[in-house]
Order: sequence, then C-alpha cells, then structure tokens
Amino acid sequence: DVLMTQIPVSLPVSLGGQVSISCRSSQSLVHSDGNTYLHWYLQKPGQSPQLLIYRVSNRFSGVPDRFSGSGSGTDFTLKIRRVEPEDLGVYYCSQSTHFPLTFGSGTKLEIK
Amino acid sequence: EVKLLESGGGLVQPGGSLRLSCAGSGFTFTDFYMSWIRQPPGKAPEWLGVIRNKANGYTAEYNPSVKGRFTISRDNTQNILYLQMNTLRAEDTAIYYCARGITTDYWGQGVMVTVSS
Repeated sequence: DVLMTQIPVSLPVSLGGQVSISCRSSQSLVHSDGNTYLHWYLQKPGQSPQLLIYRVSNRFSGVPDRFSGSGSGTDFTLKIRRVEPEDLGVYYCSQSTHFPLTFGSGTKLEIK
Repeated sequence: EVKLLESGGGLVQPGGSLRLSCAGSGFTFTDFYMSWIRQPPGKAPEWLGVIRNKANGYTAEYNPSVKGRFTISRDNTQNILYLQMNTLRAEDTAIYYCARGITTDYWGQGVMVTVSS
C-alpha cells in the first residue's frame, strides 16, 4: 500500500495567518495516464470529510482561493492563506493513483 | 444538489453480518464510480472499495484488508449502493461513509457500525 505521511500532526495558527501542510507518499503518484491523483480533504468537527483540492492543485466547487495545492511525484503541499474560523478541523491528503486508495493520518488545524 | 444518505448501521455481535445502504440523488447514478470508506473514532479514513460505473461494467475493487469479507454492489434502478459485511470483528467498528467517485468528491453523513458482544 502507498503510505501517505503528513506533517505536522498539529498546527496551531492565528486567525488571518498562513499555514502549510506537507504530504509525502511512499511512491510516485503519477498515474500511467499522466495525471497525479493526490487530493486534500477537510473534516470539520462532527462532519464528514469534504473535498478541497483534487489532482494536486484543482480547487473543488465552492472552495475559496485562500486554499491552494502544489507538488509533484511524491511531495505535496496544501497552503491556506488568511485562515478563518471555518477552516479549523483535520486535513487529510489522499491518493487514488494506486489501489488500495490511502489517506494520510491527518493534520489538525487549531487556534493558537 | 448531490446527496448521499447511508443507512443500516447499528450494533452487531462479532462474527455477524450487516448490510449498509447508500441512496444517491442529484446526479446520474450510473455515470459514477461509487466508493465505501470507513473511519474508526479518532482515526483517519480507510478506503474499503469501489464499484465502477456502467461504462466500466460495474466491476469492483477492494482493499485487501476487507477483501473476501465485504462485498460492494449497486441497484442502478433505485440509485442505491450497498456494502455487505460478513464475519465482522471488533476492529470493524467505525463510521461508514459512501462517497461519489474514486476522487470521492461528495460524501454521505456516515453511519455508525459497532461490533461488540
């Protein structure tokens, strides 16, 4: 299975600040079709995970442009600018290039 | 509006079986792969498997962790996705979600399954 490693585990932030979350995979996420199937989700307290970014850098419908994704191969980053209270929760990266699909262990974004 | 609604969860004894359902609406069900994912309390999600769309013959792929015990199927006339779970173990205790696609762009609200005597 592809191991997804997220850093950090916990991320204290001030409202209005900027943060980055790292996600590394144990093998390349470049699919044979040329796409890289690395996605980011946010799980707010008591809710289901919601898709933020798909295929590395594409914002899902309704996701504000404060969120951006980047990276390639095995090394990926989610950046959040001007953090708002609604951004708090646990962020997960996930890959769907290889079966079985796998998730990172999560990064908890919390108020400093 | 895309909606996914799971049902069928509950308390089951070790070794028992349970079938979960997921009703989809707001999209053309047969066009999409459909996934099942679970999340033990306080832990990360775990992908269980996917069933392909009509164009890809409705075949399924499973996580080896549940292959042989769990079966995914779909009723495309009623837009319902199923997860048949057999020989349940305590470690299967989790919230179970259905999600649209293999990118899992929309998730249901989840249903709790507790395996305990």
